[in-house]
Amino acid sequence: GAVVSQHPSRVICKSGTSVKIECRSLDFQATTMFWYRQFPKQSLMLMATSNEGSKATYEQGVEKDKFLINHASLTLSTLTVASAHPEDSSFYICSASQGARDTQYFGPGTRLTVL
Amino acid sequence: RKEVEQDPGPFNVPEGATVAFNCTYSNSASQSFFWYRQDCRKEPKLLMSVYSSGNEDGRFTAQLNRASQYISLLIRDSKLSDSATYLCVVALNAGNNRKLIWGLGTSLAVNP
Repeated sequence: GAVVSQHPSRVICKSGTSVKIECRSLDFQATTMFWYRQFPKQSLMLMATSNEGSKATYEQGVEKDKFLINHASLTLSTLTVASAHPEDSSFYICSASQGARDTQYFGPGTRLTVL
Repeated sequence: RKEVEQDPGPFNVPEGATVAFNCTYSNSASQSFFWYRQDCRKEPKLLMSVYSSGNEDGRFTAQLNRASQYISLLIRDSKLSDSATYLCVVALNAGNNRKLIWGLGTSLAVNP
């Protein structure tokens, strides 16, 4: 089956640090990758959608200069949280699909804690 | 009004019980419907897709009522391993992409 990995699985960092999270599709080519965020006891919220080779489309209320997304290849997308602050602490989950409307396969998530 | 609404629970049931979860969605243009399962501090995993004709996968039965914008999940003969949060998800076409809208989830605890 389709496998998506995320790295790192957990990050603890000081306020002001930039944090980079990688999302890889291991056995398929992902033309589209999605980045979600989930706060404790909240639902998953889509942050942005990225298509390979194009700029990401951000959801309303998500700052593109704060959450930098790069989808440079068909197997890798990265999310960089610029100058992270405690309110950015959350569970970040990526998903990947072969086509923009195809089934999304989820990565295991990255738990970010900003002190 | 939330786009996808679920009773957050928790539902505490004994092993072997039958439990039903309900979900409503607000956007009549929603195209596809799913139930996901999420264990504590893990990513969501697809449990099953939901169709108007209803579908069954072992002990799990899902049903969609488009007229009422209502989705249900029935779990029969609950197992301890069914303890998790069950997420109702609807998919909308957004431009060239498909966007998933997630419910808050219903927490289930199956007790020995």
